[in-house]
Amino acid sequence: SQKIEQNSEALNIQEGKTATLTCNYTNYSPAYLQWYRQDPGRGPVFLLLIRENEKEKRKERLKVTFDTTLKQSLFHITASQPADSATYLCALDKAAGNKLTFGGGTRVLVKP
Amino acid sequence: DTAVSQTPKYLVTQMGNDKSIKCEQNLGHDTMYWYKQDSKKFLKIMFSYNNKELIINETVPNRFSPKSPDKAHLNLHINSLELGDSAVYFCASSVTSGNNEQFFGPGTRLTVL
Repeated sequence: SQKIEQNSEALNIQEGKTATLTCNYTNYSPAYLQWYRQDPGRGPVFLLLIRENEKEKRKERLKVTFDTTLKQSLFHITASQPADSATYLCALDKAAGNKLTFGGGTRVLVKP
Repeated sequence: DTAVSQTPKYLVTQMGNDKSIKCEQNLGHDTMYWYKQDSKKFLKIMFSYNNKELIINETVPNRFSPKSPDKAHLNLHINSLELGDSAVYFCASSVTSGNNEQFFGPGTRLTVL
């Protein structure tokens, strides 16, 4: 069956360091992979999208990589700040307009 | 100027009752969704509507009935509420022709007693 796995343990990191989150999937051939941020009591907010033919995408301090051979995406927050503390969700999509399947999310806590 | 809004924010009710959650988006999107996020924080799609037409219907009990009066609104009606229905329900919207970047509402926390 299709599975999307994110590290369920919280990631504690010191301010200024780089946080790296993983998203692994099995039995899936996504066309797109998306990352969302979710703060407590709020809905997820879209951050980045990477296509199957792209290796890397950047947006400000965020970087996403996508390895379809390893079936893995890495999400990096560089120069992390306490305001980056949140839960980060990865989501897979077979094609535009199709449904998104979400991972369980990884909570990040950036300590000053 | 809220993009995707849901009402109510909190809903506490007894088992067996019927309740509705409303969702509206002012982004001009043509696709809307309902998701359920359980206590373990897994976000699962329930329904998707495109231009008022149901296109995704996951394995959801038929006590749940979505209704889309127009493409800016997608409501969720739940009959005979059960304890296991307690969760946070999120509405979302997107543009079909785009990258499926989804915009989520603030969520409705449903507690069934």
